[in-house]
Amino acid sequence: GAVVSQHPSRVICKSGTSVKIECRSLDFQATTMFWYRQFPKQSLMLMATSNEGSKATYEQGVEKDKFLINHASLTLSTLTVTSAHPEDSSFYICSASYRGVSQPQHFGDGTRLSIL
Amino acid sequence: AQKITQTQPGMFVQEKEAVTLDCTYDTSDPSYGLFWYKQPSSGEMIFLIYQGSYDQQNATEGRYSLNFQKARKSANLVISASQLGDSAMYFCAMREGRDTDKLIFGTGTRLQVFP
Repeated sequence: GAVVSQHPSRVICKSGTSVKIECRSLDFQATTMFWYRQFPKQSLMLMATSNEGSKATYEQGVEKDKFLINHASLTLSTLTVTSAHPEDSSFYICSASYRGVSQPQHFGDGTRLSIL
Repeated sequence: AQKITQTQPGMFVQEKEAVTLDCTYDTSDPSYGLFWYKQPSSGEMIFLIYQGSYDQQNATEGRYSLNFQKARKSANLVISASQLGDSAMYFCAMREGRDTDKLIFGTGTRLQVFP
């Protein structure tokens, strides 16, 4: 099946640090990439949708200046959590898909972000 | 109204038995897709099975099958011959319409398989 690589898998850093998370589709060109946030024992919350070469579309309530998304190519999207604070600690997971109603989203393994 | 409803927060099943995880959906779009994902404690999301709104037959993938009842708007996941490794969270999701790649997720069901 399609492979999506996400790294780092775990980040622990001090408050005020900016953290960049990469999401790569390794064996296919993704028309769209997605970024989710997941709180413990909860479902995935979509943060933004990212298309190559265009600005990301953020979901309501997600601060675009806090969560910067860059989709430089059909195989790479990055999420930067700027000036992270403890409340930004969470599990972040990306996915990639190509167009087609039957196409599933293929997920990375996620990043556990802990801000001290 | 919830677009995807999973009413079972937790389920238990004995090894080698079958288990059904419930999922109901709500959409007025005639074209949609339904997906099931497994999330083990390690966090990754594993795609299991897909059912399209126009598919005439229920989808099957190995030990996974989807009991698709369109009139009732339900898409229950059936896992046959449960294994200890099946213990995980299971999420039902819907792609609504042809013009979006977004998935709408349910709240999930935690399945625990015991020996």
